[in-house]
Amino acid sequence: GAVVSQHPSWVICKSGTSVKIECRSLDFQATTMFWYRQFPKQSLMLMATSNEGSKATYEQGVEKDKFLINHASLTLSTLTVTSAHPEDSSFYICSASPPGTENIQYFGAGTRLSVL
Amino acid sequence: GESVGLHLPTLSVQEGDNSIINCAYSNSASDYFIWYKQESGKGPQFIIDIRSNMDKRQGQRVTVLLNKTVKHLSLQIAATQPGDSAVYFCAETSRAAGNKLTFGGGTRVLVKP
Repeated sequence: GAVVSQHPSWVICKSGTSVKIECRSLDFQATTMFWYRQFPKQSLMLMATSNEGSKATYEQGVEKDKFLINHASLTLSTLTVTSAHPEDSSFYICSASPPGTENIQYFGAGTRLSVL
Repeated sequence: GESVGLHLPTLSVQEGDNSIINCAYSNSASDYFIWYKQESGKGPQFIIDIRSNMDKRQGQRVTVLLNKTVKHLSLQIAATQPGDSAVYFCAETSRAAGNKLTFGGGTRVLVKP
């Protein structure tokens, strides 16, 4: 149980285009999901908390207009990187917690974004 | 701000030996501490967690120790195997912080055959 799926696993796009990343909880419902960003050989940095049916909560320094988050259902959250630039190239990872175990987050496999 | 950090960035260990990965934390209000394993190109995988009111918890081949006096957390891996080669992160969370995770810097474990 507690499987989180992320899609796509790898995406290459041109500078100026937008990219959407999906995060799904496959065997549980999640009112809250989290989005992280990870640069090579570094730790995970929380970008935002995705809340089902309401606005996402962004961490300090994260541009909400650039990283659009939509949590339209209890099993799906999406992160859209708008007008992507090379500096947005990174590993994006989502996580979610099954009800009753909110202290433990289970992570997706991550999405490698390369902006040319 | 509050942070969770690690003492050693890289740990080389002989196959079959025990591994000990250390982590220092600074937020005394944390409710849970969690260890994750991350293999190259993959998302973090949950290993084991420990509540702040405990000092030891054991799992399969792993033991987590929590010393609140010195704000220190460790992960012990028994009989380390090649498949244990990965980066290990400690993380802390609290209900007061909305169960958001704060990650440490990570330790790379290299298992030598």
